[in-house]
Amino acid sequence: DAGVIQSPRHEVTEMGQEVTLRCKPISGHNSLFWYRQTMMRGLELLIYFNNNVPIDDSGMPEDRFSAKMPNASFSTLKIQPSEPRDSAVYFCASSLWDEQFFGPGTRLTVL
Amino acid sequence: EDKVVQSPLSLVVHEGDTVTLNCSYEVTNFRSLLWYKQEKKAPTFLFMLTSSGIEKKSGRLSSILDKKELFSILNITATQTGDSAVYLCAVNFGNEKLTFGTGTRLTIIP
Repeated sequence: DAGVIQSPRHEVTEMGQEVTLRCKPISGHNSLFWYRQTMMRGLELLIYFNNNVPIDDSGMPEDRFSAKMPNASFSTLKIQPSEPRDSAVYFCASSLWDEQFFGPGTRLTVL
Repeated sequence: EDKVVQSPLSLVVHEGDTVTLNCSYEVTNFRSLLWYKQEKKAPTFLFMLTSSGIEKKSGRLSSILDKKELFSILNITATQTGDSAVYLCAVNFGNEKLTFGTGTRLTIIP
C-alpha cells in the first residue's frame, strides 16, 4: 500500500488566494483526519470524517476553512481567502481503528 | 476537558544514555493511548496501549500504561543519534479522535 497520499507537498501563495489541499487515505480505512501543525500550537485536529461523513469540525478555525470528502478515497481542505497566519504544515491521516497513519504533509506558506 | 500533558518539553542526552518520557492525561472516557515518533516529517506510530495491553516493547523502546494514575512512560535504552525526534503521546477518549500532547523534543548528542 502506498500509504496516505497528500498533494501538493509544498504550496506558496499570496494572501487572499484560495488554497486547496488534497488527500487520498489508505484503502479500506473508514476515518480521515485533517491536522494543522505549527511550532506555537503543536498538532491540532481541524476536522474528521467517518465513512465520508463529517463528524467533528470544532477545530476548524473559522469560516475561511472548509473540508469535503466526496468519496472514500478522496478529501480536500480548502482555505479561502488565505492569510499569513494560516502558514503551517497540514497533515491528513486515516485509520480503521485507533491507530492513525499520517500522510507526508503539505507545507503551506502564505505571503 | 480531555487533556494530554507531556514532560519534559525537551531533553538532551548523550548517546548510550537511557531516557524516560512522560505522558499524563485527564480523562472523561479512555479507550487507548498511543506513542508516535516525529522526525522532520510525519508522525510515525510506535505503540498503542489499552486496558488489555498495558505494556509494550520493541527493541530498545518500551512503554507502560498506568490506568489508575492516568499516565504512561516511554523508555528508550542505549540511545542512538537516530532516536533524536519529537515524541508525541495521544489519547483516544472513546471515539475516533486522538488528542495529542505537545510532544517531547529529544536530542541525542554523539
